[in-house]
Amino acid sequence: EVQLLESGGGLVQPGGSLRLSCEASGFAFRSYAMSWVRQAPGKGLEWVSAISSSSGTTYHADSVKGRFTISRDNSQNTLYLQMNGLRADDTAVYYCAKSLWFGDLPDASDIWGQGTMVTVSS
Amino acid sequence: DIQMTQSPSSLSASVGDRVTISCRTSQDISIYLAWYQQRPGKTPNLLIYAASTLQSGVPSRFNGSGSGTEFTLTISSLQPEDVATYYCQKYDSAPWTFGQGTKVTVK
Repeated sequence: EVQLLESGGGLVQPGGSLRLSCEASGFAFRSYAMSWVRQAPGKGLEWVSAISSSSGTTYHADSVKGRFTISRDNSQNTLYLQMNGLRADDTAVYYCAKSLWFGDLPDASDIWGQGTMVTVSS
Repeated sequence: DIQMTQSPSSLSASVGDRVTISCRTSQDISIYLAWYQQRPGKTPNLLIYAASTLQSGVPSRFNGSGSGTEFTLTISSLQPEDVATYYCQKYDSAPWTFGQGTKVTVK
């Protein structure tokens, strides 16, 4: 079964850091681009970051550029999101998502994890 | 960046009604558009990719159309289980922006 399992969320103070992980199983992780998408409470979906299958290229939304870093370890089938300088408006459920087609570039997402909640508050 | 405009923001229709949701982009994205369904309390589910290709396992009452800057998601006969928020997403290039969402309820 194709599965994504996020972890690492929690409560953090403004200015703090967290590292989210997404463990993939059931598919050739190294062959697919991956993304992080977040959803603030009661709000819509917001694309955050994406990474090519080879890790050669990363992409970040302007709202997180310079603070968040996406990475992956293809030997461990794991996707990461390092989040620094966290702000209250980063509070959200963070989903990792698999690209539909194998290849280097991100595209539509056909598999989503259950999400991990990040709360930024003092 | 390309702007996404999804409309309406919400709608209420009767079971069996035809429902149409619009998504417009500020620049031509060819057919690089996907539609997702998010039921209350659930994770997003891919319905349509490449503007009009039905994802495996999605009921045939869902239909996507359009290209360039104007796209439409149609539910041909609304069912109770279609109560959800629907999102479009562009994936021609970064950023992979989502529309604002359309909340669909049943009268």
